[in-house]
Amino acid sequence: GAVVSQHPSRVICKSGTSVKIECRSLDFQATTMFWYRQFPKQSLMLMATSNEGSKATYEQGVEKDKFLINHASLTLSTLTVTSAHPEDSSFYICSAYGTSGSNEQFFGPGTRLTVL
Amino acid sequence: QKEVEQNSGPLSVPEGAIASLNCTYSDRGSQSFFWYRQYSGKSPELIMSIYSNGDKEDGRFTAQLNKASQYVSLLIRDSQPSDSATYLCAVKAGGTSYGKLTFGQGTILTVHP
Repeated sequence: GAVVSQHPSRVICKSGTSVKIECRSLDFQATTMFWYRQFPKQSLMLMATSNEGSKATYEQGVEKDKFLINHASLTLSTLTVTSAHPEDSSFYICSAYGTSGSNEQFFGPGTRLTVL
Repeated sequence: QKEVEQNSGPLSVPEGAIASLNCTYSDRGSQSFFWYRQYSGKSPELIMSIYSNGDKEDGRFTAQLNKASQYVSLLIRDSQPSDSATYLCAVKAGGTSYGKLTFGQGTILTVHP
């Protein structure tokens, strides 16, 4: 299957700082990328959908000014958590959908964010 | 009513038994259905996808889809301790939704030796 990478895998930061998470499709072009958040013992919650070259579409209740998404190329999307606070601590997972020839989304390995 | 709902679990089965995981969905226009396995601290990995009514088998896994009843299930035969994980049912909406998935809440499966 197609490969999606995320960087960093784990980040610890102080409250008030901004954190950028990268999501890359390594062997296919990702026309659409999705960003999910998962709190402990809960399912994945879709935060936003991004299409290359256009603004992201955010799910209801997700603050677009806090979670900045950029999908500037067909292989890279970034999620920036601005002015992070402890309640933003979570497992952030991206997935990609595109020209792999498959109907499925391919998930990255996730990024564990801890805000102190 | 939740859009995608899974049997609550947790589910515990002995090694070698059949584990049965169930999922119902509310959007009749849904076209694609997926089962993911997620180990603790890891991201989901695709187990099965199914698009047509009936059964689809892949090794020890069988997915069953009934669109009339809006029901999809996953059977795991000869369950192994390594199958212990959270299983997520995901449904892809119809129309121009760019592949957006809606996940169920997950069912925790424990296979005990």
